[in-house]
Amino acid sequence: DIQMTQSPSSLSASVGDRVTITCRASQSISSSLNWYQQKPGKAPNLLIYAASSLQSGVPSRFSGSGSGSDFTLTISSLQPEDFAIYYCQQSYSTPLTFGGGTKVEIK
Amino acid sequence: EVQLVESGGGLVQPGGSLRLSCAASGFTFSTFDMHWVRQATGKGLEWVSAIGTAGDTYYPGSVKGRFTISREIAKNSLFLQMNSLRAGDTAVYYCVRGRSSSWLFDCWGQGTLVTVSS
Repeated sequence: DIQMTQSPSSLSASVGDRVTITCRASQSISSSLNWYQQKPGKAPNLLIYAASSLQSGVPSRFSGSGSGSDFTLTISSLQPEDFAIYYCQQSYSTPLTFGGGTKVEIK
Repeated sequence: EVQLVESGGGLVQPGGSLRLSCAASGFTFSTFDMHWVRQATGKGLEWVSAIGTAGDTYYPGSVKGRFTISREIAKNSLFLQMNSLRAGDTAVYYCVRGRSSSWLFDCWGQGTLVTVSS
């Protein structure tokens, strides 16, 4: 199974900050990496797919990069509605696996 | 508008069975892969099963042999039959639409809670 490791597990940031979350796969997964946002009490929502493609309707302040085994989600200017938990997920092979999540909190 | 509505969750004893259902609408159900993903309270996400457009099925080792995913195209419905349930299966179970041939999750239901406890 492919293990996905996210860092940090949590971070505190202020509105307007640039935020970077990393995700590392235990083996190369090409660009088969997706990012989701989950707000309290809600289902996750797809933000980025194929490492760097922005899902329709997602604000352009979200971006993704990376390939192989190292990936990054960047929020260029954090907004109040961005405080949430972010998960990466590999879609390279089954079993499909997620990272442990990164909680973005208000500083 | 794409809608996925789960039902069938509840309290079940260890060793028992439960069948979850998901009613899909707003898209051509037969042309999409479908998945179940679960989340224990306060924990992360765990993929539970998938069914392809050809009826091919996939499971992680944690549920293989105990859970069965199926779909009824005529009724736009997805199912998850869960047998030999354990306390560790306690979670919110989400019905999720998969993007064709790419194993990612592009639309999620609101979830249904399954509690395994005596």
